[in-house]
Amino acid sequence: QVQLQESGPGLVKPSETLSLTCTVSGGFINNYYWGWIRQPPGKGLEWLGYITHTGSANYNPSLTRRVTISVDTSKTHFSLNLTSVNAADTAVYYCARFMEWSYPDSWGEGTLVTVSS
Amino acid sequence: DIQMTQSPSTLSASVGDRVTITCRASQIIGYWLAWYQKRPGKAPKLLIYKASTLESGVPSRFSGSGYGTEFTLTISSLQPDDFATYFCQQYDGYPLTFGGGTKVEIK
Repeated sequence: QVQLQESGPGLVKPSETLSLTCTVSGGFINNYYWGWIRQPPGKGLEWLGYITHTGSANYNPSLTRRVTISVDTSKTHFSLNLTSVNAADTAVYYCARFMEWSYPDSWGEGTLVTVSS
Repeated sequence: DIQMTQSPSTLSASVGDRVTITCRASQIIGYWLAWYQKRPGKAPKLLIYKASTLESGVPSRFSGSGYGTEFTLTISSLQPDDFATYFCQQYDGYPLTFGGGTKVEIK
């Protein structure tokens, strides 16, 4: 059974880049899409984007200019970079495995990232 | 973007109760809807996809129905582990979008 675990800094300064990694265990990054979802405090979930094992990515248009998702060539983890962050980017960030273009069938537990000076 | 609206936002119920949660889409999405359960400190769990297909390993007391713009998640007999937050997600169009969530509390 695949398991996902987010890792990265819990505090990021405004205007800097938020970087998170998702480590996949119990399986390899192939035949699925791999992506990120976030939930700001008191708000709903927001899909950020996903990437295929071949490196083809699809992003939420509201974040396209700031977000990049990449897959490690060893196919054991994938990453999120979000540039020029501000307080509105404070959220719990989840990594997830997606059934192709559709819905996530496995999620990490999430990691809180706070944007503050 | 396709807006997903869940109701109610909070629901108080007792063990053994039948519970129904509604999710409405701002436009027709066919069957392309999934439901999830989120318990504190746990990863979200997929319950249902394609509006009514039960994910493997999910208890049969969970069921989903609907097509087009209106969908329901039903728990036939609420169990202690079911007190959690439930949310829907559409995957008919980009960007993928989620409902605001329904918290099922102990009455």
